[in-house]
Amino acid sequence: DAGVTQSPTHLIKTRGQHVTLRCSPISGHKSVSWYQQVLGQGPQFIFQYYEKEERGRGNFPDRFSARQFPNYSSELNVNALLLGDSALYLCASRDTGTLDTIYFGEGSWLTVV
Amino acid sequence: AQSVTQLGSHVSVSEGALVLLRCNYSSSVPPYLFWYVQYPNQGLQLLLKYTSAATLVKGINGFEAEFKKSETSFHLTKPSAHMSDAAEYFCAVSKPQTGFQKLVFGTGTRLLVSP
Repeated sequence: DAGVTQSPTHLIKTRGQHVTLRCSPISGHKSVSWYQQVLGQGPQFIFQYYEKEERGRGNFPDRFSARQFPNYSSELNVNALLLGDSALYLCASRDTGTLDTIYFGEGSWLTVV
Repeated sequence: AQSVTQLGSHVSVSEGALVLLRCNYSSSVPPYLFWYVQYPNQGLQLLLKYTSAATLVKGINGFEAEFKKSETSFHLTKPSAHMSDAAEYFCAVSKPQTGFQKLVFGTGTRLLVSP
């Protein structure tokens, strides 16, 4: 079975531009979360979506937004990119029982120049 | 609020030596605890998790961790290091709840294994 898949794997953007990152969860998983991992740090929680609704949001500015589609895939959008947005963006999926594990994708490397 | 502290940004061991990576947590409720491993240029892979059952948890690749409530610790160990264990290791904590689950990660420990 396919794991969590993310695209693109690498991209370079210019300050002020907009970026869209995409994620497909493990088949059957209805919950998708996004994390930002800046070089040398642990991942930081950005959003969680479940059944197409936002269920949690981390301490990120409104430039960051996301949505979940009927097939449970998700997009993370970042507007007005800053140099500090350069990071690995990880998508994670989970089934919804309390004991279910969160599975991570390989991530999308975003470089803002 | 929940938090995790990983002591030591880098740990160096020789191949065959004991691996000990330290993690202390802070949580207002009984936590769920996780160890993830990240190989260069890859995502996170779950090594093991504690979800309030047995306090000694066995994971993949010979790793295990022991939940010690009195010490608020969840240290990761492996009896004998292998070269392939060289990677970044992250400890994480979450609240046990349905629906919404947020992982709070530590800053990571890079394990270096020398021949």
